[in-house]
Amino acid sequence: KQEVTQIPAALSVPEGENLVLNCSFTDSAIYNLQWFRQDPGKGLTSLLLIQSSQREQTSGRLNASLDKSSGRSTLYIAASQPGDSATYLCAVTLDRGSTLGRLYFGRGTQLTVWP
Amino acid sequence: NAGVTQTPKFQVLKTGQSMTLQCAQDMNHEYMSWYRQDPGMGLRLIHYSVGAGITDQGEVPNGYNVSRSTTEDFPLRLLSAAPSQTSVYFCASSYPLGEQFFGPGTRLTVL
Repeated sequence: KQEVTQIPAALSVPEGENLVLNCSFTDSAIYNLQWFRQDPGKGLTSLLLIQSSQREQTSGRLNASLDKSSGRSTLYIAASQPGDSATYLCAVTLDRGSTLGRLYFGRGTQLTVWP
Repeated sequence: NAGVTQTPKFQVLKTGQSMTLQCAQDMNHEYMSWYRQDPGMGLRLIHYSVGAGITDQGEVPNGYNVSRSTTEDFPLRLLSAAPSQTSVYFCASSYPLGEQFFGPGTRLTVL
């Protein structure tokens, strides 16, 4: 069974810092990995999608990397801002199995950026 | 595009009542799914569909039914609500194995 772990569970940083969120998964036979943002009481917003054949994806101040063989992904946030405060979720889909397309989620990293 | 929409946003039920959570998408996505999110449990897959007329069970299907008569709609039915079904429910859609998009969620309380 695919297990997805996110470290740290919570992170509090001052504005302007560059930070790294970590995601690890136990089954390396993934099709893709997706990073989401969730604000309190809201739905999930897709940030980045990395295909298993890719090493990284970038969107603005966000950069996500993927090392499929070691079962790891990192989300790098440059020059953090208070508006980045949210919970960040990592999820993978497997490239095989009966529930193809199912997302396996980590528990998330709760980020607080203070002014 | 409206993306993925869900109704209602909030609902309170009494034990034993039934209801339907609505989900619709306007992106012509074939794949749709329902998740529930609970504190300490993360997001868990309830049911999913790979196209109109095709549905299957996920990780926690008991107490829920789904149907997919059109590409756009994927309603989730609670047959006889129980307090254990108090949760936040999210609907998602995508092209097969593509980027998944989530709705805003339905917050359900069962008394």
